[in-house]
Amino acid sequence: GQQLNQSPQSMFIQEGEDVSMNCTSSSIFNTWLWYKQDPGEGPVLLIALYKAGELTSNGRLTAQFGITRKDSFLNISASIPSDVGIYFCAGPYAGNQFYFGTGTSLTVIP
Amino acid sequence: KAGVTQTPRYLIKTRGQQVTLSCSPISGHRSVSWYQQTPGQGLQFLFEYFSETQRNKGNFPGRFSGRQFSNSRSEMNVSTLELGDSALYLCASSSGTGVVGNYGYTFGSGTRLTVV
Repeated sequence: GQQLNQSPQSMFIQEGEDVSMNCTSSSIFNTWLWYKQDPGEGPVLLIALYKAGELTSNGRLTAQFGITRKDSFLNISASIPSDVGIYFCAGPYAGNQFYFGTGTSLTVIP
Repeated sequence: KAGVTQTPRYLIKTRGQQVTLSCSPISGHRSVSWYQQTPGQGLQFLFEYFSETQRNKGNFPGRFSGRQFSNSRSEMNVSTLELGDSALYLCASSSGTGVVGNYGYTFGSGTRLTVV
């Protein structure tokens, strides 16, 4: 099946630093979603992107839909301890079915 | 609005048994999708139900099945459990219409299934 590759696989950063992660696909997507998952919980939607080139912010989070429609980026500014978790990108295919990325695990060191 | 409710939160079963998991979607949502999450394979799509009909299906064996009721609540069943079925099972609800702007599943907290 489709593989969405996320990088980096894991990140260890100091509190206050900015974070960048990306997601790439071999296929074109018309929508990109970014989720965060805390341990033992389900993923929570952070940002949805619907148009190529679109840049959307949600507080300290900013995500961009790549021009090629095969990639997306998520940035977190001024990280705080509660940003810890696993971040997933997702893209739809076949209607309401989504492929999820491999995840980026973020650890914030106080 | 109440969120997506999955029950039970935790289950321990032995090999060969069967198990049924439940998911109550957000009120008004007609689509329920199920995913299996394991450390090695990540989030894998199982199936989606919309208006009591299975609309999409992932690449899982026939031991994995589901259904949806008229109130949109959904159940998934795994028969003849294997050790490899140990995972976090997540359901996600959405309007299911696929209209831009309505995208974005809302996930439940999941059911952690351990097969021993």
